[in-house]
Amino acid sequence: DGGITQSPKYLFRKEGQNVTLSCEQNLNHDAMYWYRQDPGQGLRLIYYSQIVNDFQKGDIAEGYSVSREKKESFPLTVTSAQKNPTAFYLCASLPRGRVPEAFFGQGTRLTVV
Amino acid sequence: GIQVEQSPPDLILQEGANSTLRCNFSDSVNNLQWFHQNPWGQLINLFYIPSGTKQNGRLSATTVATERYSLLYISSSQTTDSGVYFCAVAYSGAGSYQLTFGKGTKLSVIP
Repeated sequence: DGGITQSPKYLFRKEGQNVTLSCEQNLNHDAMYWYRQDPGQGLRLIYYSQIVNDFQKGDIAEGYSVSREKKESFPLTVTSAQKNPTAFYLCASLPRGRVPEAFFGQGTRLTVV
Repeated sequence: GIQVEQSPPDLILQEGANSTLRCNFSDSVNNLQWFHQNPWGQLINLFYIPSGTKQNGRLSATTVATERYSLLYISSSQTTDSGVYFCAVAYSGAGSYQLTFGKGTKLSVIP
């Protein structure tokens, strides 16, 4: 079945550590996105990528980094510069073309301990 | 960019009641989606509905693109319908697609 896989589902990070969240899709979609969601809030865009080896900052990119070395993969690194990383992170993908219907992964819940 | 507004922000229903959720958008678009975020956080695709009406069981959606709004109808609500409902549009700007979401409607269905 085609879809988007995020891993891990839960992640605990110590203060000062970098952690990487995985997002893989087999939908052959060109565009991929990372969103952050805080409790009771909406989705805020962190980074997005339209093609391999290219990505753009979203609204809240500070303290995060991404790479897009393969079409299928768009990992997100939460660096120690991100002062309040505890949140729910969602990855999405979107095809180019006439039917831009987005799909989401199951999310990763990151907690700083 | 495009602004997306949803109403109401919160909605409490008795099980079995019907409801209508609204999504307004600020510019012409040729796509719109409705999602349901379940209690575990996953965003489930409900409808891709750039225009017209679609139905899926107890849920249906209508988009009137010329008037820049979409409606999601939930009939005979069940407790499993609880969660947050988001609408989103994807618009093309500067050669890339941007996904813009509304702030969501939180639905609580009580037995």
